Amino acid sequence: DIQMTQSPSSLSASVGDRVTITCRASQGISNYLAWYQQKPGKGPKLLIYAASTLQSGVPSRFSGSGSGTDFTLTISSLQPEDVATYSCQNYYSAPYTFGQGTKLDLK
Amino acid sequence: QITLKESGPTLVKPTQTLTLTCTFSGFSLSTSGVGVGWIRQPPGKALEWLAIIFWDDNERYSPSLKSRLTITKDTSKNQVVLTMTNMDPVDTATYYCAHRIPAGTYFDYWGQGTLVTVSS
Repeated sequence: DIQMTQSPSSLSASVGDRVTITCRASQGISNYLAWYQQKPGKGPKLLIYAASTLQSGVPSRFSGSGSGTDFTLTISSLQPEDVATYSCQNYYSAPYTFGQGTKLDLK
Repeated sequence: QITLKESGPTLVKPTQTLTLTCTFSGFSLSTSGVGVGWIRQPPGKALEWLAIIFWDDNERYSPSLKSRLTITKDTSKNQVVLTMTNMDPVDTATYYCAHRIPAGTYFDYWGQGTLVTVSS
């Protein structure tokens, strides 16, 4: 199985800050990586697929990069509504594993 | 507009079999490339992918749970059913079904989730 490791596990930042979350795959997955946002009590929302393609309707302050084993999700200017848990997902091969999540809150 | 909704028991006893139904609208599971997956999330923990069924009846399962899982589809009813045998308290989680797009096995639409508690 491909293991997905995110860092950090939790993060506090201020409104307007640039925030970066990383995801590392235990083996190369090309660009077969998705990022999700999950708010308390809600199901995940797709933000980015193919490592860097923004899902329709997602604000442009979100961006993704990376290929192979190392990936990043960046929020260019943190907004209060971005408080959530962010998870990456490998879809290179089954099992389609998720990272453990990064909980983002406001400082 | 694609929607999915999970249904099933909220409480099951240890050793029992869990049957969850995902009822969806806005797409057809007979369309090439489409799939419906199941993902769960124990309280306060990470998402865990469980299984997926594709338009062509192919199935994939999490290796660690494969012996306990069965996923089926009823295209005419727009439903996907997941059964999990021999339930244990560690299987307590919110169970989600989600739509897989033809381009790859990531999920662009999710159900609201259903919390299943395993307890005697």
